Order: sequence, then structure tokens, then C-alpha cells
Amino acid sequence: EAQVTQNPRYLITVTGKKLTVTCSQNMNHEYMSWYRQDPGLGLRQIYYSMNVEVTDKGDVPEGYKVSRKEKRNFPLILESPSPNQTSLYFCASSLIGAGEKLFFGSGTQLSVL
Amino acid sequence: GQNIDQPTEMTATEGAIVQINCTYQTSGFNGLFWYQQHAGEAPTFLSYNVLDGLEEKGRFSSFLSRSKGYSYLLLKELQMKDSASYLCAVRDAGNNRKLIWGLGTSLAVNP
Repeated sequence: EAQVTQNPRYLITVTGKKLTVTCSQNMNHEYMSWYRQDPGLGLRQIYYSMNVEVTDKGDVPEGYKVSRKEKRNFPLILESPSPNQTSLYFCASSLIGAGEKLFFGSGTQLSVL
Repeated sequence: GQNIDQPTEMTATEGAIVQINCTYQTSGFNGLFWYQQHAGEAPTFLSYNVLDGLEEKGRFSSFLSRSKGYSYLLLKELQMKDSASYLCAVRDAGNNRKLIWGLGTSLAVNP
């Protein structure tokens, strides 16, 4: 089944404790992206990647890191999480092309205490 | 600046028709998407319009007018399961991958 697998689904952590949210897709998509979604602010892009070893900042990259060592994986790293990073996170992937739709992972609800 | 406007909330009755509007002001345009998002779940693709006119797909249709910076999503024969948020997103022409997202319209379908 074609899908984007994102883990964990829920995560509660404390300020400053490094964490990684994993994302993997099995559709051979070149493009992958991370979003956060907050009430009243909608979906905001954190980072994106057009291909292996090619990553770029989105609209809200501060406090986040990503890597794209393999085509299928695009982990999101929070080196020192803070409470303002409490949010619902989505990974998404697609083929390259203006009309190509995004496939989203099931989301990670992160709470930073 | 880049801006997408959608109504925040709408209510409709099961079996009825509802139209969700989206207006946009962007520096470039390379297509408009509609996604559906149920509470606590991921967005899922509904439609893509890049040329003016109506695209019909089952109970859902999407319309685009590029000259007016306007789109709508039309949902017919509403069902309870259509209660969800509907997100409008515009593909920027300047950066082919940049999507500008609206805040979404929360639709409640009542019996």
C-alpha cells in the first residue's frame, strides 16, 4: 500500500530533550516536506527536500533540523525542544510537478512541557 | 503579500448542497488545490485546478476563475462523513513547490 509512515503518533517530552520524528514513504517520491499545524495558524512549512541531500528552509525552520540521506526517509529533529514547539506535525511527500498532490503522514501530536 | 481567504466555519444539512469559497492574492499562480481534513487526521487530496472552469469528481466539484482569484468547492448530497475542514492551497509560480495554505473552512453537516 502506498503510504507515508510517520512515527510516533503521540509524543510528550520535556524542554531541552532532543527528539526525532521519523517519516518514510514507499512511493519513490522526490519531494518531501514537514509541516506544523496550529489552531488559527493553519499549516506552516518547516523544511522541505527536493531530493537526496537537498534540503531547504520553509516558513518556520527555527529550532528544527532535517536530513535526507535516503530518498524514502526524511526525519525531523528537534535538538532542544521548547514549549512553543508543541504542535501537530505532518510529513508529506509527492512527485515533482506543479499539479502533483501531497500525500500526508498520519501526524505526530507533540507536547513539550 | 500572499493571502488566501476562506470562511472559518459553515453549517449545512445532510442531503443538501454546500459551496465553500476561496479567494487568493498571490504573486504568482500555478494551480489551486483542495484538501479535506477530518479532525485529528491528515489532509487528503480532493481536487486540483489550473485552468478556469469546473472540474467534477463524483459528489465533489471544484471551480476556478484565475482572473478573479477565486475558487469554490461544491459538495452535493451531503453526508455526515463530510463534516471536516476543507483547505484551499495555491501553488506559487515563482517557486514551483511552494504551497500557500488557507486556514481552512470547518464544515458541520447536521442531520
